[in-house]
Amino acid sequence: EPEVTQTPSHQVTQMGQEVILRCVPISNHLYFYWYRQILGQKVEFLVSFYNNEISEKSEIFDDQFSVERPDGSNFTLKIRSTKLEDSAMYFCASSEPLSYEQYFGPGTRLTVT
Amino acid sequence: SQQGEEDPQALSIQEGENATMNCSYKTSINNLQWYRQNSGRGLVHLILIRSNEREKHSGRLRVTLDTSKKSSSLLITASRAADTASYFCAPMDSNYQLIWGAGTKLIIKP
Repeated sequence: EPEVTQTPSHQVTQMGQEVILRCVPISNHLYFYWYRQILGQKVEFLVSFYNNEISEKSEIFDDQFSVERPDGSNFTLKIRSTKLEDSAMYFCASSEPLSYEQYFGPGTRLTVT
Repeated sequence: SQQGEEDPQALSIQEGENATMNCSYKTSINNLQWYRQNSGRGLVHLILIRSNEREKHSGRLRVTLDTSKKSSSLLITASRAADTASYFCAPMDSNYQLIWGAGTKLIIKP
C-alpha cells in the first residue's frame, strides 16, 4: 500500500542552524501539508501546498519557514534559523484530488539544542 | 477556539469491551475525521464522515455525527490490545483545514 515517507526520522540541530525536513508524498496525490506536534501537545497545522504554491498557512508558519517541491516527488520544509521552541515532531501529509482524507508520514522528530 | 475537543482525555478498559470517545467542535464543518496515533508514531486515518451523514461504519469502528450539537462519537467494538493508542477527532472547517484536539488516550488492558 502506498505511504508517505519522511526523512530523517530524528534530527538534532543547534539553535540558529538551518534544517530541511524531507517528505515523499503518495505519488498521485496533489495536496501536501506540514503539521507539527510539540511533545504532549496538540497537532498544529503549519501549511498546505497545491499546484506549486502555498494554499494556506498558519500563524506559526512565519518567515523562518519555507516549503518547496524541488522535483516531482519530494516536498520539503525548511526552517532557516531554528529556535529551541521549534523542537517538535513534524508530520507531512498528502491527499488526492477530490478527497479530504489526509495520509500522514511517520514524522521527523526535531530536537533543537 | 475552533478546535475539536475529545472526551474523555483518557480511557482504560478491558480487552473485549467497547470503547466510546466523544468529540465536540465549535465551527461549521465540511466533514469530520478520526485519526489514531500510536505512541511516538505517525497519525493513521481511520474514518471520514461528511457533514450530511449521521453514521458511518468501518469494521469495528462506528462514527456518529450530530451537526446540530456539533459533536461526534467514535465507538470501537470488541476492543483489542492493539487498539491502545491516542485517538483524535479532526473536524475539517470551511477552509478545508483540519482542526485538532488534544486526543483521547485509550488503554486496553489484556
